[in-house]
Amino acid sequence: GDSVTQMEGPVTLSEEAFLTINCTYTATGYPSLFWYVQYPGEGLQLLLKATKADDKGSNKGFEATYRKETTSFHLEKGSVQVSDSAVYFCALVIPLYRYKLSFGAGTTVTVRA
Amino acid sequence: DTGVSQDPRHKITKRGQNVTFRCDPISEHNRLYWYRQTLGQGPEFLTYFQNEAQLEKSRLLSDRFSAERPKGSFSTLEIQRTEQGDSAMYLCASSFPGLAGGRSYNEQFFGPGTRLTVL
Repeated sequence: GDSVTQMEGPVTLSEEAFLTINCTYTATGYPSLFWYVQYPGEGLQLLLKATKADDKGSNKGFEATYRKETTSFHLEKGSVQVSDSAVYFCALVIPLYRYKLSFGAGTTVTVRA
Repeated sequence: DTGVSQDPRHKITKRGQNVTFRCDPISEHNRLYWYRQTLGQGPEFLTYFQNEAQLEKSRLLSDRFSAERPKGSFSTLEIQRTEQGDSAMYLCASSFPGLAGGRSYNEQFFGPGTRLTVL
């Protein structure tokens, strides 16, 4: 079946540090890939997406590149802020065939001032 | 506010009681999804509607769970004879088919969730 494995947390960083959260996937079709973020007390929000190999999704200083050869979609940000403290979820969907999102377990990131 | 809304936001019930949650999707979205999220885990798919038709149900959706989407607008999720293991956040999402980079994708917009606590 389709599944997502992401780096376990929690991750604690200082402001302006570099953040990487690893995400790898297994899929029986050609997935679209997503990163969702859940800020404290809020719902899931789409952070960025990539729909085909070598696409780079980016938003709010975060980036992730769809690597089909390594089945990966690692999330990166060059300089984190306290406001980036949240839970980050990697997810995939197989368009046209299966519509459900398959999520990783989530990675809690805490950024300290 | 034109996002996905869910009601109630919190529900506390006693074991054995029935509960019903409501989801109002973004108005032009024809697809609606229910997920369940337990503490420390990512959301898990429960069921999916396209318009009023329920097209897929997870094995997680036992006989005690039923979901409806009359007229293809709002949806309800009912849990009968609740058990303590049903305690979780129940998330609703909606989507409309789109294209990006020449490929179809399925961007789902999530509501704030209903947190269920079964005592």
